[in-house]
Amino acid sequence: KQEVTQIPAALSVPEGENLVLNCSFTDSAIYNLQWFRQDPGKGLTSLLLIQSSQREQTSGRLNASLDKSSGRSTLYIAASQPGDSATYLCAQNHNDMRFGAGTRLTVKP
Amino acid sequence: EAQVTQNPRYLITVTGKKLTVTCSQNMNHEYMSWYRQDPGLGLRQIYYSMNVEVTDKGDVPEGYKVSRKEKRNFPLILESPSPNQTSLYFCASSLSIDPYSGGGEQFFGPGTRLTVL
Repeated sequence: KQEVTQIPAALSVPEGENLVLNCSFTDSAIYNLQWFRQDPGKGLTSLLLIQSSQREQTSGRLNASLDKSSGRSTLYIAASQPGDSATYLCAQNHNDMRFGAGTRLTVKP
Repeated sequence: EAQVTQNPRYLITVTGKKLTVTCSQNMNHEYMSWYRQDPGLGLRQIYYSMNVEVTDKGDVPEGYKVSRKEKRNFPLILESPSPNQTSLYFCASSLSIDPYSGGGEQFFGPGTRLTVL
């Protein structure tokens, strides 16, 4: 069974810090990897999608990287803000879609 | 507005009473999928559909049925709900799952919170 793991499970940082969220996966034949944000009790908002042929994607203060050979992806958030507080999920796509358990991020003012 | 809609958003029902949760997308997406989210277990895929009349089981299909008669709709059917199906359900869609046709990014509906008593 292909697994997706996210570390750390929770992270608390002061406003302004740069931070990295980690995602590891065991399926080396993924089509792509997607990062989501989920606010409490809400749906999932797509942040970044990295196709298997790509190394990274950027959107504003967010940068996601993908290393298929090592089975790792990272989400880099620059200059964090309190509004970034949420749970961040990564998911691998290979016909079916598998999610990590998420990293709960708190950015303190 | 491009979106995935689910109905109802909240549902409380009793054991054994058949129910259907509807999902509709207006983006002409080929791929649609259902997930359930439970504390401590995360998001797990129930069923997915690559296209009309094509459906496949995900990780946790027991107790659920789906159909894909039209491209835009992908209802989730619980023939005889049980309390262990109490959960938060999400529908999602993407252009396709095939990266070679530019697909892959999944868009999620707002969720349906189901309670089975």
